[in-house]
Amino acid sequence: LAKTTQPISMDSYEGQEVNITCSHNNIATNDYITWYQQFPSQGPRFIIQGYKTKVTNEVASLFIPADRKSSTLSLPRVSLSDTAVYYCLMSNTGKLIFGQGTTLQVKP
Amino acid sequence: NAGVTQTPKFQVLKTGQSMTLQCAQDMNHEYMSWYRQDPGMGLRLIHYSVGAGITDQGEVPNGYNVSRSTTEDFPLRLLSAAPSQTSVYFCASSTDRAVRDEQFFGPGTRLTVL
Repeated sequence: LAKTTQPISMDSYEGQEVNITCSHNNIATNDYITWYQQFPSQGPRFIIQGYKTKVTNEVASLFIPADRKSSTLSLPRVSLSDTAVYYCLMSNTGKLIFGQGTTLQVKP
Repeated sequence: NAGVTQTPKFQVLKTGQSMTLQCAQDMNHEYMSWYRQDPGMGLRLIHYSVGAGITDQGEVPNGYNVSRSTTEDFPLRLLSAAPSQTSVYFCASSTDRAVRDEQFFGPGTRLTVL
């Protein structure tokens, strides 16, 4: 299974753009890259998914370079409510592996 | 749609007791899974199912049993609870057997084993 590496924590201020990079050197051809968000005492929530290039939805953007060995989640103009843990995963088979995730702390 | 529901929300067990954590979804999803999350950690996959009658092991299956007799339900059984099984348990479901699609998570069951 492809392993992902992401920073343990990040700090930001309200209104800033936040970029969280995930490294996945062993990504397989059929793997999709998926990001989840988790608030305390809640289950994770799907944010965005992509295979290559750039994907954008109403919440975030996902940038994937041509070699697909990394990906960057971009959150535009974060607010205090974006304080959460963000997980990067590879999706292909029935087994999904969550790493420790990145704890994003947004300050006023 | 209620989405993914889990019962109970909280449970305290004594070592050696058995219990079943319930998970149900009303979205006709084929794929269902169970995770556990320990404090400060990411989620770890316990068991998963790609359809009724089919189950498989995840990362940490020891001490847990599952079955999938219907599309809607995927109960997780602890046969003889141990303090190491104190954790928050999340159930999830997805339309896609390969889990390329979004997984929907339940609210979790917080289990304490004394």
